Amino acid sequence: KNQVEQSPQSLIILEGKNCTLQCNYTVSPFSNLRWYKQDTGRGPVSLTIMTFSENTKSNGRYTATLDADTKQSSLHITASQLSDSASYICVAAYSGAGSYQLTFGKGTKLSVIP
Amino acid sequence: DVKVTQSSRYLVKRTGEKVFLECVQDMDHENMFWYRQDPGLGLRLIYFSYDVKMKEKGDIPEGYSVSREKKERFSLILESASTNQTSMYLCASRRRTGSYEQYFGPGTRLTVT
Repeated sequence: KNQVEQSPQSLIILEGKNCTLQCNYTVSPFSNLRWYKQDTGRGPVSLTIMTFSENTKSNGRYTATLDADTKQSSLHITASQLSDSASYICVAAYSGAGSYQLTFGKGTKLSVIP
Repeated sequence: DVKVTQSSRYLVKRTGEKVFLECVQDMDHENMFWYRQDPGLGLRLIYFSYDVKMKEKGDIPEGYSVSREKKERFSLILESASTNQTSMYLCASRRRTGSYEQYFGPGTRLTVT
């Protein structure tokens, strides 16, 4: 069964600190992995998309890594800001037999406090 | 700038009412999706469409139907709303080939009383 597990479920950090969110996935055949940021009451917004041949991708203070062998990804946030408070959703895409589907993790809720 | 819009941000309906949620995208995308999002469950796919008048069931289609009469518009219909359909509903669109990017609308928070 295709699954995406994220950890931790929630996280509180001080403004200015770094943090790393984890994602383990089991989808087959794997196509790509993406991270979304979702502010409270809003739709998700894409941060990064990585295919199996990419092992790191940055978007400003956000850096995602992908290890396709161990089926793990992480999202590192550098010098956190109050506006980083949001849920971060890991999504694994699989493609096969003419279909292309996304499997969503349940998200990590990040709170950045002053 | 890409855009997916949804007809309402907040909606309150009574049990048994017929509810229409509208989604419009201006990116000429072939694929459109409806998800619901509940605490602790993440996003779950209700229905999707890969072309006009085409529709496919997602993981949780029961109690819902959809309509896609025009490429830019994808409607979600709750024939007889029930309290367990209280949720956040998210529409998304994506090009069929090429870019993997999937764009989401702002969401509709539906409450059924």
